[in-house]
Amino acid sequence: QRVLTQAPSASASLGASVNLTCTLNSGHSDYAVAWHQQHPEKGPRFLMKLNSDGSHRKGDGIPDRFSGSSSGAERYLTISSLQSDDEADYYCQTWHTGILWVFGGGTKLTVL
Amino acid sequence: QVQLQESGPGLVKPSETLSLTCAVSGFSINTVYYWGWIRQPPGKGLEWIGSIYHSRSTYYNPSLESRVTISADTSKNQIYLKLTSVTATDTAIYYCVRGEVVTPDCWGQGTLVTVSS
Repeated sequence: QRVLTQAPSASASLGASVNLTCTLNSGHSDYAVAWHQQHPEKGPRFLMKLNSDGSHRKGDGIPDRFSGSSSGAERYLTISSLQSDDEADYYCQTWHTGILWVFGGGTKLTVL
Repeated sequence: QVQLQESGPGLVKPSETLSLTCAVSGFSINTVYYWGWIRQPPGKGLEWIGSIYHSRSTYYNPSLESRVTISADTSKNQIYLKLTSVTATDTAIYYCVRGEVVTPDCWGQGTLVTVSS
């Protein structure tokens, strides 16, 4: 069973909001996750660490438009006031005994 | 501001050893952070390779553990990756990262390594 599950794609209109979902498996349902953004042909950038209670710590320079929340085994990344530059791949990631860091398959966000 | 810069050969022959260096600036590697390597095959997702903690303790992805060595030189403030017996499936962009237990929080720009004869 995969530790993290993400939808392969998502889309939303310019100026709108979008929620990206990351689901933890039953063995990790109370784990914190992190979200990372990756633009095409660029290296990933750490967005935030998101705890099971919804509290989160953002990386340096991450705009207020990016926020996180949690519900049960679900971890959400919300991007509001979507901009064209938000079009990217978004990876959730957690830690796992035996494998220090494990990643979800990523969600490709298209801004319409 | 911490910066991570990967370097090394861009082309490695099958069965040989891939060796990369990560030069860290703006932050000492001899601190309570994990320093590690993550790779990304072209067009695919991210895979953690391994990490080193406090320049001594190492942790490796079980799927790569038999071929991987990660080390550090605190005098040079550098992290190293060696991956032996490479095949075409090791072709990827290799990223150097800094992190805590839960997550990497700083990424290098990455370096592409192609395994081909």
